[in-house]
Amino acid sequence: EPEVTQTPSHQVTQMGQEVILRCVPISNHLYFYWYRQILGQKVEFLVSFYNNEISEKSEIFDDQFSVERPDGSNFTLKIRSTKLEDSAMYFCASSANAGGRGAEAFFGQGTRLTVV
Amino acid sequence: KNEVEQSPQNLTAQEGEFITINCSYSVGISALHWLQQHPGGGIVSLFMLSSGKKKHGRLIATINIQEKHSSLHITASHPRDSAVYICAVSGTDKLIFGTGTRLQVFP
Repeated sequence: EPEVTQTPSHQVTQMGQEVILRCVPISNHLYFYWYRQILGQKVEFLVSFYNNEISEKSEIFDDQFSVERPDGSNFTLKIRSTKLEDSAMYFCASSANAGGRGAEAFFGQGTRLTVV
Repeated sequence: KNEVEQSPQNLTAQEGEFITINCSYSVGISALHWLQQHPGGGIVSLFMLSSGKKKHGRLIATINIQEKHSSLHITASHPRDSAVYICAVSGTDKLIFGTGTRLQVFP
């Protein structure tokens, strides 16, 4: 069964460092998402991406964050100058159609980011 | 006020019991999703529905669009059903998540 793959599963980084979280969405999917879940809290939307550009982003997704689909298969989330409050589980998701049309989203296993 | 509310927040049950988790939402939606999150953190989609009822094995999901309410039922619960169950809604591209219901089923 096709799946969304995220790497690494766990990353520890020093405050102020840059991190890149990687995702390989399901191959025929067109819509890509990043969500995050701070420990003990609900999952929050960060950004959606379609046709090589951001289609929607949340207030959380400020200039510190960027996304890229560099080679047609990978989908990356870059966090510049990490802060302690960036520590969270980051989930990548993909869907065949837009969520607004009621498309099922498939999630990766997550990357647990710890900023020390 | 949260756009998606779930109840209860925590639920314990004995193996074999019938479980119900409720979800209410306050925004217009195109679909409602029930998701399962295991202790390792991964999220798995259980159901996506926009009307009526869906069944998969021992799991049943219902939605009432007029009342903006959905329920997830687990029949004959089993310890392996222990997980966090999350309700999420989609209106625009993104999903809006509820806070989840932590279910523990004891043998």
